[in-house]
Amino acid sequence: EPEVTQTPSHQVTQMGQEVILRCVPISNHLYFYWYRQILGQKVEFLVSFYNNEISEKSEIFDDQFSVERPDGSNFTLKIRSTKLEDSAMYFCASSEGVGVYEQYFGPGTRLTVT
Amino acid sequence: GENVEQHPSTLSVQEGDSAVIKCTYSDSASNYFPWYKQELGKRPQLIIDIRSNVGEKKDQRIAVTLNKTAKHFSLHITETQPEDSAVYFCAASTFNKFYFGSGTKLNVKP
Repeated sequence: EPEVTQTPSHQVTQMGQEVILRCVPISNHLYFYWYRQILGQKVEFLVSFYNNEISEKSEIFDDQFSVERPDGSNFTLKIRSTKLEDSAMYFCASSEGVGVYEQYFGPGTRLTVT
Repeated sequence: GENVEQHPSTLSVQEGDSAVIKCTYSDSASNYFPWYKQELGKRPQLIIDIRSNVGEKKDQRIAVTLNKTAKHFSLHITETQPEDSAVYFCAASTFNKFYFGSGTKLNVKP
């Protein structure tokens, strides 16, 4: 069964540094998402992406964040200048269609900002 | 924006008993309501979902009900087993934006 993959599984970075989290969505999926989950808390929506542009974004997704589909397979989340409070698990997800279609989650990247 | 409330935050049941988790949402435009199971350190996995044009959906031991008028939806697990122990999240979706509840930690005691 096809799966969403994410790299790296764990990223440690210093405050103020830029990080790029990578995701490979399921190949025939058209919609891509990023979520974050602070340890012990709920999953929070960051952004959805379709047809090479942002479809929706949450209040969390400020100017420090950006997303990109640099080629036909990868989907990236960039945090420009990391803060301590960016420490969380970041999940990528993809779906075939919009809204009412099942989202498939990747295994997550644990980001630790020191 | 949408606000999803979920309760209880923890639920402990005896193996074989039923478990019910409830969620409410605020945005009447929400039209898709998935439920996810998340085991410790793992990714959320969809266990059942319901669309706004349906009132109830069942899949073996799991069922979900939706009351659009009252803006609440519930997850029902019957004949619980120890492997059902996990954190369960509800979510509500408006178009392409998803809002999750705060999660329910279900503990099924053998």
